Amino acid sequence: EPEVTQTPSHQVTQMGQEVILRCVPISNHLYFYWYRQILGQKVEFLVSFYNNEISEKSEIFDDQFSVERPDGSNFTLKIRSTKLEDSAMYFCASSELGGPGANVLTFGAGSRLTVL
Amino acid sequence: AQTVTQSQPEMSVQEAETVTLSCTYDTSESDYYLFWYKQPPSRQMILVIRQEAYKQQNATENRFSVNFQKAAKSFSLKISDSQLGDAAMYFCAYTIKAAGNKLTFGGGTRVLVKP
Repeated sequence: EPEVTQTPSHQVTQMGQEVILRCVPISNHLYFYWYRQILGQKVEFLVSFYNNEISEKSEIFDDQFSVERPDGSNFTLKIRSTKLEDSAMYFCASSELGGPGANVLTFGAGSRLTVL
Repeated sequence: AQTVTQSQPEMSVQEAETVTLSCTYDTSESDYYLFWYKQPPSRQMILVIRQEAYKQQNATENRFSVNFQKAAKSFSLKISDSQLGDAAMYFCAYTIKAAGNKLTFGGGTRVLVKP
């Protein structure tokens, strides 16, 4: 069964450093998403991406965050200058189409980011 | 703002028994979708079951079924004949049709299955 692949599985970084989290969505999917889960808190929507542009973003997704699809397969989340509060599990997801009816999200296993 | 609440942080069930996980949500929308996702220790969230709000019939997927009470804004998940592989974190999630796959999640319920 097709999978969403995320790398790295765990990254430790110093506060203020830039981090790039990578995702390979399912090949025929057109919509891409990032969610995050701070330890002990709910999974939260960050951003959705379609046709090489952001279609929606949450208030969490401020100027220090950016997303990109640099080639035909990867989808990346960049955090420009990490803060302690960015420590979380980041989940990439993709869907074939944008609607929630039959086009459910397939999630990756997550990338744990630890900011020291 | 829409909220999803799972009031049970943890539930324990004996193998082969039944366990019911509760979920309530708050919305003023009429056209929305509800989901239960399972997150095993390997961390990948997997869709268990989904329900469209306009469908009155409760969704069922093998041993998993829901009790959707639209007026009460309740969406519980029943796991029948529990198996060791059902042990995981279970998340209830909601989205309105217009929001596509922008999901709002509950806090999760950890299910422990005792052999």
